[in-house]
Amino acid sequence: EDQVTQSPEALRLQEGESSSLNCSYTVSGLRGLFWYRQDPGKGPEFLFTLYSAGEEKEKERLKATLTKKESFLHITAPKPEDSATYLCAVQGAGGSYIPTFGRGTSLIVHP
Amino acid sequence: EAQVTQNPRYLITVTGKKLTVTCSQNMNHEYMSWYRQDPGLGLRQIYYSMNVEVTDKGDVPEGYKVSRKEKRNFPLILESPSPNQTSLYFCASSHYTPSGANVLTFGAGSRLTVL
Repeated sequence: EDQVTQSPEALRLQEGESSSLNCSYTVSGLRGLFWYRQDPGKGPEFLFTLYSAGEEKEKERLKATLTKKESFLHITAPKPEDSATYLCAVQGAGGSYIPTFGRGTSLIVHP
Repeated sequence: EAQVTQNPRYLITVTGKKLTVTCSQNMNHEYMSWYRQDPGLGLRQIYYSMNVEVTDKGDVPEGYKVSRKEKRNFPLILESPSPNQTSLYFCASSHYTPSGANVLTFGAGSRLTVL
């Protein structure tokens, strides 16, 4: 059974204070690891897909990295508009098309 | 605009009164699914559909029904709602990629309260 654990559950940062969110996973063969952003009262919005260990992807102040056991979402010099819940999901390569989601990290960036 | 549309967005109902939450996507996606999101529990999959007339149970299917008669529509039916089905519901869809990675497009959500 695929499992995803995200930490911390909540994170408060000052504007400009860089940090990282963690996503630990177990999966039988990785087809993809996904990061989504969810604003309050809205549906999750896709950010990145990572396919293999060592891969990195960037988008504005966000950078996602992947190892064989975990992924990090690095936030560099965050702004208040980066405040959201960040969800991690994994999809195994065992024929399943179903991603398994973590419970998310709620990020608040104070001005 | 490519999107997944859910209706209603907000609904308050009473125990036992059948209701349907509609979901429609305009991206010609093969895959569609329903999730519920509860505080502390994250997103949990209710049902999914790999294509027209093909549906299967997710992690929490009890108390729900779905159908997929057309590619664009995937309604969620609560035959006899109970208070424990009070939740925030999301419909999502995706197309099949060469890599097999399932990148989901989510609707805006439907907040359901069952009294």
